[in-house]
Amino acid sequence: EVQLVESGGGLVQPGGSLRLSCAASGFTFSSYEMNWVRQAPGKGLEWVSYISSSGSTIYYADSVKGRFTISRDNAKNSLYLQMNSLRAEDTAVYYCARGMAAGTDWYFDLWGRGTLVTVSS
Amino acid sequence: SYELTQPPSVSVSPGQTARITCSGDALPKQYAYWYQQKPGQAPVLVIYKDSERPSGIPERFSGSSSGTTVTLTISGVQAEDEADYYCQSADSSGTSVVFGGGTKLTVL
Repeated sequence: EVQLVESGGGLVQPGGSLRLSCAASGFTFSSYEMNWVRQAPGKGLEWVSYISSSGSTIYYADSVKGRFTISRDNAKNSLYLQMNSLRAEDTAVYYCARGMAAGTDWYFDLWGRGTLVTVSS
Repeated sequence: SYELTQPPSVSVSPGQTARITCSGDALPKQYAYWYQQKPGQAPVLVIYKDSERPSGIPERFSGSSSGTTVTLTISGVQAEDEADYYCQSADSSGTSVVFGGGTKLTVL
């Protein structure tokens, strides 16, 4: 079955760190661009970060630049998001999403079920 | 920063046609994509590259583009179509993705 499964969410204090993981199965992970997208409680979707299939190209949203680091291990079919200096406004469900290139942009054709990150003291 | 603008809500009766718009300055040059999200679930892609429909998405879902506005049309709306709908595109640099604020579709 083609799927993405996130893990690693939880409760963390402001200023703390957390590492999210996404396990891919059912497709050739190393051939696809990957992303993290988040959704604050009751709010809309916000793209967080992108990584190319090889890991050589990485982009971040301005809201997380300098604090979050995306990475991947193609041998383990896994995507990661290291989140440092967490703030209350980072509280959200974090989705792992497979990217599909379309010219100069990309979209998301497969999503995980998400993992909840709560930043609170 | 680049923004996409959607109406917060749209309401239709079953069997009618729902149209959800999304406006953005870069849309004439960039593709638009649409996602459906039901409560407690992950988003699902329903339209890509302005008007293409992924396999498994019912034919009643269609997309169109005109200038700075793209439109998701749901013909013959069914109760199961009640959900939040998000448009998505990229900024002109191609280094970031933006979502619209979302539209809640209510089936009366």
